[in-house]
Amino acid sequence: QLQLQESGPGLVKPSETLSLTCTVSGGSIISSSYYWSWIRQPPGKGLEWIGSIFFSGSTYYNPSLKSRVTISIDAPNNQFSLRLSSVTAADTAVYYCARRWTYHYDSNGSPSGYYFDYWGQGTLVTVSS
Amino acid sequence: QSALTQPASVSGSPGQSITISCTRTSSDVGGYNYVSWYQQHPGKAPKVMIYDVTKRPSGVSNRFSGSKSGDTASLTISGLQAEDEADYYCCSYAGGGTSMVFGGGTKLTVL
Repeated sequence: QLQLQESGPGLVKPSETLSLTCTVSGGSIISSSYYWSWIRQPPGKGLEWIGSIFFSGSTYYNPSLKSRVTISIDAPNNQFSLRLSSVTAADTAVYYCARRWTYHYDSNGSPSGYYFDYWGQGTLVTVSS
Repeated sequence: QSALTQPASVSGSPGQSITISCTRTSSDVGGYNYVSWYQQHPGKAPKVMIYDVTKRPSGVSNRFSGSKSGDTASLTISGLQAEDEADYYCCSYAGGGTSMVFGGGTKLTVL
């Protein structure tokens, strides 16, 4: 059973850089079938896709966060990471890592993809001095 | 404002059926053929209930179904149960490679 687990500081000071790591167990991060993603949820609010990375290192970011986000992959350790720079109180949120299918053909030969099937439990990051 | 619009709340009594809509309000949301729905209970991670507009993952109750008409995707829950009370989010491929976008979420109350 695949499992994802977020880790990192729960408190970050304004203007500093938020850094989180997602450790994947029960499966390899090296796969052409998936993108590894970060999603966040401010307290009491909805979900926001932050960005995704392919095992090759190709990345895609939410345009609204692109200037501050870096997602990287550490294949030997089956981990991927998020860095968000110049944080403010608006970046306070529960941060989730998740696995997202790439475009593919399912067992019935139908096109499929672009959904998150495994999620970490989430980690709350508070931005405060 | 999200490119996918959902009602803020819906409610229904046990045994009834409800439908949550998700309307594409921006052309940035690609072909809208890859809509997924997520259920989130308080303090828990989201769980995929529907993907590819209509497909249901193994283990998800057949009381959950998805559909799409034009720019509006819908999640229908039949035979409402107390355990269905949760927040529901739609999500779509947004084009531009692999960008994704979520709807604002709908709170389902089982009366």
